[in-house]
Amino acid sequence: SQQGEEDPQALSIQEGENATMNCSYKTSINNLQWYRQNSGRGLVHLILIRSNEREKHSGRLRVTLDTSKKSSSLLITASRAADTASYFCATDGSGGYNKLIFGAGTRLAVHP
Amino acid sequence: KAGVTQTPRYLIKTRGQQVTLSCSPISGHRSVSWYQQTPGQGLQFLFEYFSETQRNKGNFPGRFSGRQFSNSRSEMNVSTLELGDSALYLCASSPGTTRVAKNIQYFGAGTRLSVL
Repeated sequence: SQQGEEDPQALSIQEGENATMNCSYKTSINNLQWYRQNSGRGLVHLILIRSNEREKHSGRLRVTLDTSKKSSSLLITASRAADTASYFCATDGSGGYNKLIFGAGTRLAVHP
Repeated sequence: KAGVTQTPRYLIKTRGQQVTLSCSPISGHRSVSWYQQTPGQGLQFLFEYFSETQRNKGNFPGRFSGRQFSNSRSEMNVSTLELGDSALYLCASSPGTTRVAKNIQYFGAGTRLSVL
């Protein structure tokens, strides 16, 4: 079963705009990760934020984590057409660090 | 380093048959996990192997099984295929040894299985 929900399910923006995706989860976590998937291919790790961190940056990516609300957000600034993909949040399920529980994902379309 | 390699990339089977998928992890990675991705259920964890032992298991029927070899390569087997087994099967590897809460996983391109 999925850990939580992502919002929105789909997002369509123009190049240069910012894209914000939200993720909610249900259980306590050690960390939360965001992955990108291009058109039915493998997932690529983007960023990991630990449960004791509130914000993390990596290039054009900014992730926030609110453990009290069990939610996270991913912000992509100055979006490019190449950012078009599905984005998933993933948390570590109980019983093992390598058992990732994924959200339903947000489909992002960035138009030139 | 070479990435995670999954073979075959595409597979077509009929109901009742069995199938074996293969995954070669990144060199030095001892943990291999398998996920099933479908439009209806999304990404679901199947199982994880570490040093030839199953360390974690998801909620899938016993028709789904796996194993890991001494060189960390892993295979996943699905017996008595059903139409609902049609999916993208993803393999991911990680070092798997750290006790720090870091479990970044590196995914292969996947095997797309179609059951007719």
